[in-house]
Amino acid sequence: GESVGLHLPTLSVQEGDNSIINCAYSNSASDYFIWYKQESGKGPQFIIDIRSNMDKRQGQRVTVLLNKTVKHLSLQIAATQPGDSAVYFCAENSGGSNYKLTFGKGTLLTVNP
Amino acid sequence: GAGVSQTPSNKVTEKGKYVELRCDPISGHTALYWYRQSLGQGPEFLIYFQGTGAADDSGLPNDRFFAVRPEGSVSTLKIQRTERGDSAMYLCASSSKSGSGNEQFFGPGTRLTVL
Repeated sequence: GESVGLHLPTLSVQEGDNSIINCAYSNSASDYFIWYKQESGKGPQFIIDIRSNMDKRQGQRVTVLLNKTVKHLSLQIAATQPGDSAVYFCAENSGGSNYKLTFGKGTLLTVNP
Repeated sequence: GAGVSQTPSNKVTEKGKYVELRCDPISGHTALYWYRQSLGQGPEFLIYFQGTGAADDSGLPNDRFFAVRPEGSVSTLKIQRTERGDSAMYLCASSSKSGSGNEQFFGPGTRLTVL
């Protein structure tokens, strides 16, 4: 029978390289965006967030860029490490909701030592 | 400090059975959320509690699903007459209050398998 697998976009990088993960969000009324990291068998872990009144925000080794014109979000990870290997999800506060998050499909990042 | 905990970590049941999934939020967090995550997909919103009341249960797929939070802390997600399509990871999250910018902290999830 047909096997069901993970049909996630994937990104494979070498340790030490920079990684860029992209996300297209769906609702132009959303005004708060978050990137989550999810390791196998664990719940999503908050990485960084950004509000719609900003177009860039930096954290430790991570930068989020927001382009509201084309409803695009990206996560940049500097000097990627093996421990960064995980599935990365972008999420938006659904249409400006105060509590409901809508998650994107996710990107599987694999870091090769 | 302790994060969000969920029990059991894995639950295998037979089609038609009833299951309960438990979530212990971070102490003092008034907002609690349940999400469901299918393999290869992002989490999908099920229900949101502010205190003891379900402020939004619009994500519950049908009336076989129900959740309670009687004392404003621990929450239980209940699924009646389970179906194979209910198999998924069920995630609970909590935040100190609702509102954009209030980080939702996720638990490790309960993996439900319906045979």
